[in-house]
Amino acid sequence: TQLLEQSPQFLSIQEGENLTVYCNSSSVFSSLQWYRQEPGEGPVLLVTVVTGGEVKKLKRLTFQFGDARKDSSLHITAAQPGDTGLYLCAGDRQGTSGSRLTFGEGTQLTVNP
Amino acid sequence: NAGVMQNPRHLVRRRGQEARLRCSPMKGHSHVYWYRQLPEEGLKFMVYLQKENIIDESGMPKERFSAEFPKEGPSILRIQQVVRGDSAAYFCASSRTDYGYTFGSGTRLTVV
Repeated sequence: TQLLEQSPQFLSIQEGENLTVYCNSSSVFSSLQWYRQEPGEGPVLLVTVVTGGEVKKLKRLTFQFGDARKDSSLHITAAQPGDTGLYLCAGDRQGTSGSRLTFGEGTQLTVNP
Repeated sequence: NAGVMQNPRHLVRRRGQEARLRCSPMKGHSHVYWYRQLPEEGLKFMVYLQKENIIDESGMPKERFSAEFPKEGPSILRIQQVVRGDSAAYFCASSRTDYGYTFGSGTRLTVV
């Protein structure tokens, strides 16, 4: 069983602060995806990283895939209350039986005005 | 440009009844996945289907749970003889390729 560990589990910060969420595994993934989930809704895909060492930026969000493709991080600059939500990382292992995602437990982010 | 449609959004069943959850994938998507999210836990993979085929059901409980994706119509996740432990949010996702899922809004099943 491949496990993805996210940290921290909960994060409460003030508007304007920076933060980093980590996603770690002992297993190699062919790609890693980050989702954001709001209460009562399904996860929404933010980004997919595929290449070891890859860095992707989405406005104030920066995503990085580790060189060994076992870990990833999400960095948010100047957080805003609208960034509040559950952030999930998910690893994709493309095997012969198809592509299933292994999700981390999530990081619940609260940005206070 | 409809996304992944799941219904019902909320479902209440008494212990021992059957629950049927429906999922219509995005247009053009041929891969359908079902995930379960228990309170205070992350999403857990249940089953991966393509039209008329179950590709990977390694995450499905061995008893009472079944899934199908017929040639015509939505994918169905069926839970027979529900128990309280089945209470959870069930999410369907679809994709065209193996990268980048689109999730539905989920069905929240409550067993009373």
